[in-house]
Amino acid sequence: NAGVMQNPRHLVRRRGQEARLRCSPMKGHSHVYWYRQLPEEGLKFMVYLQKENIIDESGMPKERFSAEFPKEGPSILRIQQVVRGDSAAYFCASSPRASSYEQYFGPGTRLTVT
Amino acid sequence: AQTVTQSQPEMSVQEAETVTLSCTYDTSENNYYLFWYKQPPSRQMILVIRQEAYKQQNATENRFSVNFQKAAKSFSLKISDSQLGDTAMYFCAFMTRDNYGQNFVFGPGTRLSVLP
Repeated sequence: NAGVMQNPRHLVRRRGQEARLRCSPMKGHSHVYWYRQLPEEGLKFMVYLQKENIIDESGMPKERFSAEFPKEGPSILRIQQVVRGDSAAYFCASSPRASSYEQYFGPGTRLTVT
Repeated sequence: AQTVTQSQPEMSVQEAETVTLSCTYDTSENNYYLFWYKQPPSRQMILVIRQEAYKQQNATENRFSVNFQKAAKSFSLKISDSQLGDTAMYFCAFMTRDNYGQNFVFGPGTRLSVLP
């Protein structure tokens, strides 16, 4: 059973470009969480999705950021018109159900905006 | 709002010695879970140990143990017989659940260096 997979592991974008980060949860997991980790800081919650639904996006910036988790395929975190301040590590985590007490983290995507 | 505080930004310990990392949290919830995660240079988040708040017994996983003081809202991690591979960032995390999902809050981390 493969763990949570994220790709790409490293992504470099110029200011103004779009960044797409993908997360494939563990098999059988239908709950996905996205976190952002700025340098030298802890993880900050961004958004929580179930299949085809956004449950909680209270940690997501209001502009330029969007997330989806379609019925088929990975969850995608999309950042439009990236700025230098978006440079960070983005982690996704999955869990099998809402009542679970654990999240399984992917290896993260390091986004660098030049 | 729940908050997690780790008051030690950096710590170091000699190989084979014991080190304790501090964590305090603030919540009005009664049912919650506490975690310590390790993040080595690879940046992978690795679960070290978990504690359910309703359990009085402190969790233990091999060389890792916690001192959970619910009244004081304290959750420290003790690493015994430190090894070079323990060098990493350590994050304390607090989690509550509702009908919709989990709510994780992470502390800012403690950078631990194990010295040969």
